[in-house]
Amino acid sequence: EAEVAQSPRYKITEKSQAVAFWCDPISGHATLYWYRQILGQGPELLVQFQDESVVDDSQLPKDRFSAERLKGVDSTLKIQPAELGDSAMYLCASRGGLGIWNTEAFFGQGTRLTVV
Amino acid sequence: EDQVTQSPEALRLQEGESSSLNCSYTVSGLRGLFWYRQDPGKGPEFLFTLYSAGEEKEKERLKATLTKKESFLHITAPKPEDSATYLCAVQADTGFQKLVFGTGTRLLVSP
Repeated sequence: EAEVAQSPRYKITEKSQAVAFWCDPISGHATLYWYRQILGQGPELLVQFQDESVVDDSQLPKDRFSAERLKGVDSTLKIQPAELGDSAMYLCASRGGLGIWNTEAFFGQGTRLTVV
Repeated sequence: EDQVTQSPEALRLQEGESSSLNCSYTVSGLRGLFWYRQDPGKGPEFLFTLYSAGEEKEKERLKATLTKKESFLHITAPKPEDSATYLCAVQADTGFQKLVFGTGTRLLVSP
């Protein structure tokens, strides 16, 4: 069964260091999302890609966060410098694409980030 | 702005005790409403998609229903393995179809 792959599963980093997360969506999925989920809360959208283009990054803290999906396949989310408040689960999801019915978003297992 | 409100925040049931979770939403135009299950430390797992008022979907002990303002997830005769957080999300039929989540309901089913 096709899955969204994320790595690493866990990451501990010191405050002010750089950290990066990787996501490989389900093959053929044009839409890719990065969400942040703080413990006890629902996922919050950080950035949405349609193929290689960013279509929504309104909630992405652009002074420290960046995201790319260069070839419209896998994606990287980077934080530099990390702050204590960035500790959270970072979730990647993919779906078939815009204008396509009956396409749910499927999630990876997430990366648990702890900033110390 | 699209909004999703889930209630209750937490629910504790005895095994076999049926109940319902609520998801109220405000969206400019609904393309779809989604229910997910999330186990601790894992990513959300897709359960159901509902597209229009009156629609119902079932899977094992779970049944999801949809009206123009809210959705219910009914759990019939739950088992301890149904313990999880249940998330509701809406997708608007405008723009780039952003997926907006509620804060979830934490369900604990005791034997």
